[in-house]
Amino acid sequence: SQTIHQWPATLVQPVGSPLSLECTVEGTSNPNLYWYRQAAGRGLQLLFYSVGIGQISSEVPQNLSASRPQDRQFILSSKKLLLSDSGFYLCAWRWTPNTGELFFGEGSRLTVL
Amino acid sequence: AQSVAQPEDQVNVAEGNPLTVKCTYSVSGNPYLFWYVQYPNRGLQFLLKYITGDNLVKGSYGFEAEFNKSQTSFHLKKPSALVSDSALYFCAVSGTYKYIFGTGTRLKVLA
Repeated sequence: SQTIHQWPATLVQPVGSPLSLECTVEGTSNPNLYWYRQAAGRGLQLLFYSVGIGQISSEVPQNLSASRPQDRQFILSSKKLLLSDSGFYLCAWRWTPNTGELFFGEGSRLTVL
Repeated sequence: AQSVAQPEDQVNVAEGNPLTVKCTYSVSGNPYLFWYVQYPNRGLQFLLKYITGDNLVKGSYGFEAEFNKSQTSFHLKKPSALVSDSALYFCAVSGTYKYIFGTGTRLKVLA
């Protein structure tokens, strides 16, 4: 069966510090991978998606970046965090066909102080 | 561009009553529509999807959704609400690669 792991679960970082959130999927190959941010428990903002190793599409210009160094690994990074980067970050995957549902990780809550 | 709209921020319903959470969509081509539920501080869980075929789709936990092409709607329904159904519900539309969510509707089921 497939599983998705996301870590860390909680992170408190000072403004200007770097960020690395990691997501890995097990039990499948060549998944589509996604990073979303959820602010204040409401809507999900699509940040990045990836359809293959090294292929990253950015949806929102910001100080975040994403990388996919391996087929089932998706990393969200920042060199210098802003207060506005605080939020609940969700990683998700699905099989390649666009009719498939997303499977979400448990999320990473980031607080920037 | 594809989009979904959830016009209600919150829906309150009494336990045992039927519930409806509304969603409308805008897509070019065939719509692939989904409903998810989120409990506090958790990831989203898939409930059901419409790809093609029957306009009434049945999903997890007794939920169903009705696809209406003429009204471009995909409302989530349940015949009898439970207190444990209280959560945040998201409608979503899938494209070739992108996957876009609505703003969410908070469902509160009152005992």
